[in-house]
Amino acid sequence: ILNVEQSPQSLHVQEGDSTNFTCSFPSSNFYALHWYRWETAKSPEALFVMTLNGDEKKKGRISATLNTKEGYSYLYIKGSQPEDSATYLCALPISSGSARQLTFGSGTQLTVLP
Amino acid sequence: DGGITQSPKYLFRKEGQNVTLSCEQNLNHDAMYWYRQDPGQGLRLIYYSQIVNDFQKGDIAEGYSVSREKKESFPLTVTSAQKNPTAFYLCASSSSGGGRGDFEAFFGQGTRLTVV
Repeated sequence: ILNVEQSPQSLHVQEGDSTNFTCSFPSSNFYALHWYRWETAKSPEALFVMTLNGDEKKKGRISATLNTKEGYSYLYIKGSQPEDSATYLCALPISSGSARQLTFGSGTQLTVLP
Repeated sequence: DGGITQSPKYLFRKEGQNVTLSCEQNLNHDAMYWYRQDPGQGLRLIYYSQIVNDFQKGDIAEGYSVSREKKESFPLTVTSAQKNPTAFYLCASSSSGGGRGDFEAFFGQGTRLTVV
């Protein structure tokens, strides 16, 4: 089983604060890293798919970086808003024979307080 | 609209009964996945399928079975052998993507199964 670790498990921030959290993974046999946002009562939605060491991706106030050599990715949210409240999941595809399965971390639950 | 449909949203089952959860996608995706979520835990992979008529066990396949007779459908059966079936079940699909796994997954809205 691929060990995908996310920290912290949960986080409360005030509206307007910037925040970040971490996804750690074994650096060997890396293919790609995915970030998903999962809002309450909705389906998880993809934020970023990252493949290259040093990759940095941005979508509005949210950005992510990737370090495949040391096995971590950071997700940053600048100027948090209440609508950013969600669980943020990272996932990595791992090979199993000819197939590839998507393995998730346990997520970081973010609550932005107004 | 393209997407993934899971049904039912809520399901109650008596102990000892098998139950089948439906997952249908019209995204023309080759790969489909079933995940389980328990309180305070992440998504754990039950089964996945990369192509029609083929599927592989995930990390927690015991007590579950699947079929992939059609590209758009990947039903999950929770059997009476599953010791603790009460959970939230999510289905997902993705394209095969490039060799590096740079495919995003699309998810259904989930089925909450309760054993009574």
